[in-house]
Amino acid sequence: QKEVEQDPGPLSVPEGAIVSLNCTYSNSAFQYFMWYRQYSRKGPELLMYTYSSGNKEDGRFTAQVDKSSKYISLFIRDSQPSDSATYLCAMSGASGGSYIPTFGRGTSLIVHP
Amino acid sequence: NAGVTQTPKFRILKIGQSMTLQCAQDMNHNYMYWYRQDPGMGLKLIYYSVGAGITDKGEVPNGYNVSRSTTEDFPLRLELAAPSQTSVYFCASSRDRGVSYEQYFGPGTRLTVT
Repeated sequence: QKEVEQDPGPLSVPEGAIVSLNCTYSNSAFQYFMWYRQYSRKGPELLMYTYSSGNKEDGRFTAQVDKSSKYISLFIRDSQPSDSATYLCAMSGASGGSYIPTFGRGTSLIVHP
Repeated sequence: NAGVTQTPKFRILKIGQSMTLQCAQDMNHNYMYWYRQDPGMGLKLIYYSVGAGITDKGEVPNGYNVSRSTTEDFPLRLELAAPSQTSVYFCASSRDRGVSYEQYFGPGTRLTVT
């Protein structure tokens, strides 16, 4: 079992839809949960991160962490064609040697007008 | 600030050739990383460094070497290139261990080995 599982998609939605992207993980030591966005032929960029459990909102984006289920989600409201990208989840621990993030495979999102 | 820069952007190597991928950052970050990204496979850590003179292996270090003589630069050396090293290589940096969740990535180097 991989430490971080993420469906690669692609996920195709119409403009304005609510998008839900998800990852599961197996390492209970993970404390930081990140979402990176990667446009085609570009490097990833940090979209948002959450420490431990709970929700975090930033504009149209909401990140959720459920540590009891080892499940994290990223919701995108009112999706736009400019949101078309690959979204990578990543996780890291807060101590020991686990501070370096472990990345999921990424989910390709296509928002069509 | 230029952030994290990588050169070259593209390279085609023949089997058995060697090359160095360059990476530099101007944010005075202590931590630097090299990843490779294969299609649909996410990012795999090759090597990382926690400061000048200190490097350590990641998940997939075989066939690669690194050095870190300055805070700014973290070159990745490929010796005896093989087709399995065809990939996109990303360099990243973070300020320190406490904020390693926030990595800054370069634009990548696309390498093809034929």
